[in-house]
Amino acid sequence: DGGITQSPKYLFRKEGQNVTLSCEQNLNHDAMYWYRQDPGQGLRLIYYSQIVNDFQKGDIAEGYSVSREKKESFPLTVTSAQKNPTAFYLCASTSGQGDLTDTQYFGPGTRLTVL
Amino acid sequence: GENVEQHPSTLSVQEGDSAVIKCTYSDSASNYFPWYKQELGKRPQLIIDIRSNVGEKKDQRIAVTLNKTAKHFSLHITETQPEDSAVYFCAASIRNYGGSQGNLIFGKGTKLSVKP
Repeated sequence: DGGITQSPKYLFRKEGQNVTLSCEQNLNHDAMYWYRQDPGQGLRLIYYSQIVNDFQKGDIAEGYSVSREKKESFPLTVTSAQKNPTAFYLCASTSGQGDLTDTQYFGPGTRLTVL
Repeated sequence: GENVEQHPSTLSVQEGDSAVIKCTYSDSASNYFPWYKQELGKRPQLIIDIRSNVGEKKDQRIAVTLNKTAKHFSLHITETQPEDSAVYFCAASIRNYGGSQGNLIFGKGTKLSVKP
């Protein structure tokens, strides 16, 4: 778990602003993920990337965008089109190899609040 | 696609008692079932996982059982302690050795409270 970092820990956004959440991993993992967590809703997948320069939409991608220019980094931008962005955002990564070590590890999360 | 149902949503037990959380999944191709523990305000942490080639796995006070025919799996915590209090999530996915991997589909979580 210590190999995945997210910043900032807390983020406040005014309505109409875009904000970018950082996620970095030093585990040499191929696959990275972004989840949104709301109370009582569990973890919902926003975007995922199984390899550099490639990413796919998850279940709730509307109003979000990502990039994967480097293996270690998978930033998430919450755009003004996301109508209810207040939530706890979790980044995760896996080796993507499907073997016994292919476990999903989570970052510490970013709590985003819209003012 | 895969759908994971988790029950109960809340569970309260006395310290020392056992706790059982159950999950069902819909996709018979799913072959990897992890369980995560999340303390308030912190990241989910993997506590145990099981693959479909075994029916049960234990790690000290924690065990997971899998019934592939019925498509359900359960988390068992024995001799519960107050520090076991947290939200527990089950998940299911497809893991293919050396091939493409399915995304984890999570249950909605169970809030476990262990009373001293």
